[in-house]
Amino acid sequence: DAGVIQSPRHEVTEMGQEVTLRCKPISGHNSLFWYRQTMMRGLELLIYFNNNVPIDDSGMPEDRFSAKMPNASFSTLKIQPSEPRDSAVYFCASSLVGASYEQYFGPGTRLTVT
Amino acid sequence: AQKITQTQPGMFVQEKEAVTLDCTYDTSDQSYGLFWYKQPSSGEMIFLIYQGSYDEQNATEGRYSLNFQKARKSANLVISASQLGDSAMYFCAMREGYNRKLIWGLGTSLAVNP
Repeated sequence: DAGVIQSPRHEVTEMGQEVTLRCKPISGHNSLFWYRQTMMRGLELLIYFNNNVPIDDSGMPEDRFSAKMPNASFSTLKIQPSEPRDSAVYFCASSLVGASYEQYFGPGTRLTVT
Repeated sequence: AQKITQTQPGMFVQEKEAVTLDCTYDTSDQSYGLFWYKQPSSGEMIFLIYQGSYDEQNATEGRYSLNFQKARKSANLVISASQLGDSAMYFCAMREGYNRKLIWGLGTSLAVNP
């Protein structure tokens, strides 16, 4: 089975530009999570969806960040406008409701905003 | 207060020896789950092992075992027969109740010496 797929793997953009990160969860999983990881703040949950519905977006830093999940197999995280402090690795993870709810992570997108 | 505490920022172990990575947690929920993830230098987050609060036996997965001490609220990861490929960051995480969010520790960096 394919794991969580993220694209692009690397993104370099200039401050002020729009950035869109994409995620395809594991087929059959019904929860999807967006995380951001930096050296300073560690791993932070930005938002998660259950059955395509946003459940908790309390980790979204500010209005410049938005996330959508139009169907069970696709989600996007958009930053508009981007700022240098948004530079980080962004992970998407998915899980299946069950006994343990373990999350499976994609390879991450390394975002650099100059 | 920290809900997940990993007190060892860095650990060293000789190849083929066993190592214990500490994790303590804080929750008032009776039902919860504890997870360990590995993040090698390549960056991906790899699910290793899960322990449910009602599980009577310690979880094991190959060379990984979870030393679960409920009264002490600890969930230490034991890696037996360390290999060079075990060098990585290790994160402890907790799910409270049936909340799909995971609460993460700051991680422990493990270096396996040849």
